[in-house]
Amino acid sequence: AQKITQTQPGMFVQEKEAVTLDCTYDTSDPSYGLFWYKQPSSGEMIFLIYQGSYDQQNATEGRYSLNFQKARKSANLVISASQLGDSAMYFCAMRGHQGSGSARQLTFGSGTQLTVLP
Amino acid sequence: NAGVTQTPKFQVLKTGQSMTLQCAQDMNHEYMSWYRQDPGMGLRLIHYSVGAGITDQGEVPNGYNVSRSTTEDFPLRLLSAAPSQTSVYFCASSRGHEQYFGPGTRLTVT
Repeated sequence: AQKITQTQPGMFVQEKEAVTLDCTYDTSDPSYGLFWYKQPSSGEMIFLIYQGSYDQQNATEGRYSLNFQKARKSANLVISASQLGDSAMYFCAMRGHQGSGSARQLTFGSGTQLTVLP
Repeated sequence: NAGVTQTPKFQVLKTGQSMTLQCAQDMNHEYMSWYRQDPGMGLRLIHYSVGAGITDQGEVPNGYNVSRSTTEDFPLRLLSAAPSQTSVYFCASSRGHEQYFGPGTRLTVT
């Protein structure tokens, strides 16, 4: 079974500062992928960044980077230079790469509500 | 290329009524899934499909049926709606590592 834990229900950050959103995971699958999604108040799910378990380097996408520490089973999202439009709910998720069952579908954490202050 | 579309956007049902949430994708993706999102929680998997004619249960399948007669469509049926099924429902499709979500259907059961 897969499990994602996000221990920060809410976070505040000052505009233009960096912020780290925590995510830890548990899986017995030797190969897996880790994802971060953004859900603004409008409700849609927006894909931000992906990290494969065998990727040698941490993933980056513009202002988003994923701090992947495999031994600690953590996949924290770092947002640099926060903007007011970054205020949203952020979800960490994972998917196994083995087999064809439900393990290949996404398992989500409970989310972190980020508020960017002007 | 419309991506993943869902209808309706909003729906109110009375307890015991049945209905079908529609989901379609035009990206020729094999994998499609249905999730529900309850307040303060992440998305939970209801049912999924790995191709036309193949479906299986996820984490919270009770009270829901699915079928996959074509690659494009993956409808979710509520057999007899209950207040506990009040939620936001997301359909998703994927190929490779990226999963594309529809805009969601907000369902209220009274």
